[in-house]
Amino acid sequence: DAGVIQSPRHEVTEMGQEVTLRCKPISGHDYLFWYRQTMMRGLELLIYFNNNVPIDDSGMPEDRFSAKMPNASFSTLKIQPSEPRDSAVYFCASSLGIAQTEIYGYTFGSGTRLTVV
Amino acid sequence: SQKIEQNSEALNIQEGKTATLTCNYTNYSPAYLQWYRQDPGRGPVFLLLIRENEKEKRKERLKVTFDTTLKQSLFHITASQPADSATYLCALPSYNTDKLIFGTGTRLQVFP
Repeated sequence: DAGVIQSPRHEVTEMGQEVTLRCKPISGHDYLFWYRQTMMRGLELLIYFNNNVPIDDSGMPEDRFSAKMPNASFSTLKIQPSEPRDSAVYFCASSLGIAQTEIYGYTFGSGTRLTVV
Repeated sequence: SQKIEQNSEALNIQEGKTATLTCNYTNYSPAYLQWYRQDPGRGPVFLLLIRENEKEKRKERLKVTFDTTLKQSLFHITASQPADSATYLCALPSYNTDKLIFGTGTRLQVFP
C-alpha cells in the first residue's frame, strides 16, 4: 500500500488566489481527516469525514475553507481566497476506526506545505 | 476544553540511554491516548495506543504508561539510538467526541 497520498507537496500562491489540496486515503479506511500544522498552534483538526460524509467541520477557520470527499478514494481542501495567514503545512490522514470500542491509529500523508505571499 | 502539555524544550540524551518523554493533560480523563513520531518534512507516524484500563504497553524498545490519577502518560525509548531523533507527539480524544487532538510535541535528540 502506498499510504496516504497528498498533492502537491509544495504550493506557493499569491494572496487572493484559489488553492486546492488533494488527498487519496488508504483503501478501506472509512475515516479521513484534514489537519493543519503551524509552529504557533501545532496540529489542528480542520474537518473529518466518515464514509465520505463530513462529520465535524468545526475546526474549519472561515468560510474561505471548504472540503469535499466525492468518493472513498479522493478528498480536496480548498481555500478561496487564500491569505498569508493560511501559510502552513496541511496534512491529510485516514483511519480504520475512531470509535472508542474500535480505535486505530491514524496514517498521515507527507503533507502539503502552503505558502501564500 | 482539553489541554495537552508536552515539554517544548528539546530532550538531548546520549546513545544507549533511556529517553523519557512526558505528556500531561487537564480536565477529563480520556479513554485512550496515542503516541506519534514526526520527522522533519514528514507527517506523524503512529507508534502506540494505550487505553485507560492499561497501565503499560510495550512495543520493541518503546514503552508507554498511562496514569489516570496523575493525568499523565510517559513515553520511554530504551537503548536509544541516533535514528530515534525526532519529535514525539501525544494525542487523545477531545471531551465527548472522537476527535483526536495533538500536543505540540517534544523534540528528542540522541547523540552518539
